[in-house]
Amino acid sequence: QVQLQESGPGLVKPLQTLSLTCTVSGDSVRSGGYYWSYIRQPAGKGLEWIGRIYTSGTTNYSPSLKSRVTISLDTSKNQFSLRLSSVTAADTAVYYCASEEKYSGKFDYWGQGTLVTVSS
Amino acid sequence: DIQMTQSPSTLSASVGDRVTITCRASQSISSLLAWYQQKPGKAPNLLIYKASSLKSGVPARFSGSGSGTEFTVTISGLQPDDFATYYCQQYNSHPYTFGQGTKVEIK
Repeated sequence: QVQLQESGPGLVKPLQTLSLTCTVSGDSVRSGGYYWSYIRQPAGKGLEWIGRIYTSGTTNYSPSLKSRVTISLDTSKNQFSLRLSSVTAADTAVYYCASEEKYSGKFDYWGQGTLVTVSS
Repeated sequence: DIQMTQSPSTLSASVGDRVTITCRASQSISSLLAWYQQKPGKAPNLLIYKASSLKSGVPARFSGSGSGTEFTVTISGLQPDDFATYYCQQYNSHPYTFGQGTKVEIK
């Protein structure tokens, strides 16, 4: 069973870059069995898919965030990471990492989520 | 982007009730729809995928149906553990999008 754990700063200043890492256990990010995704949820609101990466390095991003988002893999640490640049208060949310079984589209496994607040 | 609209936003029900939540897509998504349950402070948990396939381990009181643009999830015999917020998600095309959620609360 795949387990995911987000880590990173809980507070980011406006216009700076949000950086989070998701550590994967129970599978290898190189295995090819999953896409590795980030999803966020502002307080009291719904879920927003940010983007995903595959073992090949291929990425897909939400068009609304594409200009500011980078998702990358660190196979040596079995991790994948999110960078979101030029953040504003609207980027304040709980950020989840999740695994999407290849060809399935469904998110089988999720991290517990980490709250990132954008504030000076 | 494909817009997903859930109804109702809030549903008040009692233990033992049969409840149904509806999710409508702004364009056809075939059967490429999943349902998740989320409890406060927790990550969403996959219940149903491909519109009607129950994830292993999910109680049989949950069922899903629909195709095209209209989908439902039904809980037959609501249990105390079922009071939560439910989200639909389409994976027909990128960007994947979710409904706004339906909160099932105790009547």
